[in-house]
Amino acid sequence: ETGVTQTPRHLVMGMTNKKSLKCEQHLGHNAMYWYKQSAKKPLELMFVYNFKEQTENNSVPSRFSPECPNSSHLFLHLHTLQPEDSALYLCASSQGFGASGGDTQYFGPGTRLTVL
Amino acid sequence: DAKTTQPNSMESNEEEPVHLPCNHSTISGTDYIHWYRQLPSQGPEYVIHGLTSNVNNRMASLAIAEDRKSSTLILHRATLRDAAVYYCILRDRLVFGNEKLTFGTGTRLTIIP
Repeated sequence: ETGVTQTPRHLVMGMTNKKSLKCEQHLGHNAMYWYKQSAKKPLELMFVYNFKEQTENNSVPSRFSPECPNSSHLFLHLHTLQPEDSALYLCASSQGFGASGGDTQYFGPGTRLTVL
Repeated sequence: DAKTTQPNSMESNEEEPVHLPCNHSTISGTDYIHWYRQLPSQGPEYVIHGLTSNVNNRMASLAIAEDRKSSTLILHRATLRDAAVYYCILRDRLVFGNEKLTFGTGTRLTIIP
């Protein structure tokens, strides 16, 4: 138990569906992250939020839309995805901006997404 | 970003020490060395980090070469639960706001009972 929860743990969706992934952290952190882990590929950073403001968008397609209503919650809204978007989506949190290079990230268990 | 090089895979016997190497020959003076691991079907978890001196915690030890161009993660007594992919990552301590972790392919550690 890392203090970062993700729901749902598994999701199957069609290419025309709209769904959302939810992440919640109970650690009092100020930064939250979305990562994507495809089969046999390294984790890829998607988005970074510091104090609810997006500070990094790693050239992610617009069919992925993040939302950070407060420092404890992070959403990833999905629409018109492609089968190649099937992957493990991981959320993480950390103390955040200004914490310097020793800042530790805490990861959730991930949502296993399958796009049909 | 400075890069790291790790072996793709390693094996070790249960209850024996494990030494996981990482080369980072282009490391800058302000880079921290971080280690994370990812157990099967889980998200990555923090293991340890250091800057110049060797570090110990309840999970592992980190030995950093004097020139800082390499480091070794040491698991003192491997258990089956330590089977995971281990990632060595560099992070610049002076770049405030640069919180992103850049993961490589890591080392897949197999523990033999």
